[in-house]
Amino acid sequence: KAGVTQTPRYLIKTRGQQVTLSCSPISGHRSVSWYQQTPGQGLQFLFEYFSETQRNKGNFPGRFSGRQFSNSRSEMNVSTLELGDSALYLCASSLSGGSTDTQYFGPGTRLTVL
Amino acid sequence: DAKTTQPPSMDCAEGRAANLPCNHSTISGNEYVYWYRQIHSQGPQYIIHGLKNNETNEMASLIITEDRKSSTLILPHATLRDTAVYYCIVRVFILTGGGNKLTFGTGTQLKVEL
Repeated sequence: KAGVTQTPRYLIKTRGQQVTLSCSPISGHRSVSWYQQTPGQGLQFLFEYFSETQRNKGNFPGRFSGRQFSNSRSEMNVSTLELGDSALYLCASSLSGGSTDTQYFGPGTRLTVL
Repeated sequence: DAKTTQPPSMDCAEGRAANLPCNHSTISGNEYVYWYRQIHSQGPQYIIHGLKNNETNEMASLIITEDRKSSTLILPHATLRDTAVYYCIVRVFILTGGGNKLTFGTGTQLKVEL
């Protein structure tokens, strides 16, 4: 079974631009979560989507948003990019996000903001 | 969220067992202990999880103390490829609305040497 895939793998943007990252979960998985990893803050939870609805949200500004499609694929968008948004963005999928589910991570998208 | 405490770094000789400790003294009765590892800038890889009993799979063993306040991840025969940051996570199951998020700490950098 194919794992979680993320595209693109690397991205370079300039301040003020916006960016969209894509995540395809493991087949059959309906919960998709996004995380941001930076050297200073470590791995932080952004949000979780299930059945096309945002179910949980971390402590990030409104510039960070996401959506999920009917096939469970998910995108996250960051508007008005800041230098501090440079990070590894990770997507993780699980069956339903239930109490015994395990999250499986993709390889990440490395975003550099200049 | 239950907090975990791990040593920042550990060394292990190749072929020997690597024992990685984790303290989670505020863990609740229904919270699971998860272990992930992250090899340099890749997505975190799931290793194992448990609630109260010891667990073993093809990658590792997880020993949880009877009071559940600490646990140890054991890699029985460490290899150079096991060099990674190991994260011990207490999984928060969100009661209202369901779903979950993983709260990552700073982890333990395990270095396996010849």
